[in-house]
Amino acid sequence: QVQLQESGPGLVRPSETLSLTCSVSGGSIHSYSWSWIRQPPGEGLEWIGYVYSTGITNYSPSLQSRVTISVDTSKNQFSLTLRSVTAADTAFYYCARGDQNMEFWGQGTLVAVSS
Amino acid sequence: QLVLTQSPSASASLGASVKLTCTLSSGHSRYAIAWHQQQPEKGPRYLMRVNSDGSHSKGDGIPDRFSGSSSGTERHLTISRLQSEDEGDYYCQTWGSGIVVFGGGTKLTVL
Repeated sequence: QVQLQESGPGLVRPSETLSLTCSVSGGSIHSYSWSWIRQPPGEGLEWIGYVYSTGITNYSPSLQSRVTISVDTSKNQFSLTLRSVTAADTAFYYCARGDQNMEFWGQGTLVAVSS
Repeated sequence: QLVLTQSPSASASLGASVKLTCTLSSGHSRYAIAWHQQQPEKGPRYLMRVNSDGSHSKGDGIPDRFSGSSSGTERHLTISRLQSEDEGDYYCQTWGSGIVVFGGGTKLTVL
């Protein structure tokens, strides 16, 4: 069974950079796409972007100027970088396998943006 | 523009059935969607993909009580024999031209 686990700081200062990693176990990162999704507390899901195992990416138009998603196939991991964060970026951040059928999800990690 | 519309809330009694609807924006009637369940205080879980012809494919371990169907731009999730654990938020999701879109979610209350 494929499992995904998000990791990274739970607190980021305003204007700084949020960085998260998703570790994939129980299956190879090759031949799939890998997504990041976020959810502000009490609100709905928002797609951030995805990366193919080849490194090709697609991002949400609303976040494209601040987001980078990358993949490290040697570590079976992929990562999210979000620059110049504000309080509006406070959310649970989830990683998932796929951009169409997101069949496997991580448990999520809460990132708060605060000074 | 690719948009998914869901009713904010739904309710049904324990043991009954409920049909949730996700509506695709005009011009997108051939798009497939995926349904995800989010129980309280948990992360989302993939339920199934629903195609424009009404066929659907469920994720591993999803009970037979869950089924999908389609009609025009509407994609449906039907839950039969409702259990208390079915209470939570249900999101539809679709994709196209390099973007992914989520609906606003429907909060299901089991009475």
